[in-house]
Amino acid sequence: NAGVTQTPKFRVLKTGQSMTLLCAQDMNHEYMYWYRQDPGMGLRLIHYSVGEGTTAKGEVPDGYNVSRLKKQNFLLGLESAAPSQTSVYFCASSYLTGGEQYFGPGTRLTVT
Amino acid sequence: AQSVTQLGSHVSVSEGALVLLRCNYSSSVPPYLFWYVQYPNQGLQLLLKYTSAATLVKGINGFEAEFKKSETSFHLTKPSAHMSDAAEYFCAVKDGGSQGNLIFGKGTKLSVKP
Repeated sequence: NAGVTQTPKFRVLKTGQSMTLLCAQDMNHEYMYWYRQDPGMGLRLIHYSVGEGTTAKGEVPDGYNVSRLKKQNFLLGLESAAPSQTSVYFCASSYLTGGEQYFGPGTRLTVT
Repeated sequence: AQSVTQLGSHVSVSEGALVLLRCNYSSSVPPYLFWYVQYPNQGLQLLLKYTSAATLVKGINGFEAEFKKSETSFHLTKPSAHMSDAAEYFCAVKDGGSQGNLIFGKGTKLSVKP
């Protein structure tokens, strides 16, 4: 039981490049989330999903897109990276809405 | 809308001293409240949660938190700090909206001095 895994762990992008972050969970959770963590800002919700095939915007969705084609996977895409997207990205999942969330180890992204 | 305020972005205690990390929330409905811990270069893991049962909640690693409705607080305590408690701690409240997502505080970094 791996819990929540994230790929890759680190990435450096140039401004304008694109990339996709992959999150996978093996707990059969319906709900999945993408957050970004910046110093002094806590965790801010980017997008979330309440089930396979669904996505919704969180607090800071601009510049990101997501997809949930399979229940166990939640992808976060950056179409044209900007330095302001330099951050640590966390994926999480939960069985219930508002319930305990299980977090992945994070992806550290630097955009130059 | 719900919100969470953590007082003090940095707290420093000596090993063996009391740990007190403060969290105040605003909620228009009975809240679900959580404390998470993040060790360096790791994801967040749940310490404890309050879901309207007992007001004193015990968590892992000797931590506990008390829900005080009159003070809208959910402070985290540990009687005796250990070096391994050095980490960042986040308080979170369930959003009262239809999706019920969690809203996180900005975090408190705990340092433990030998």
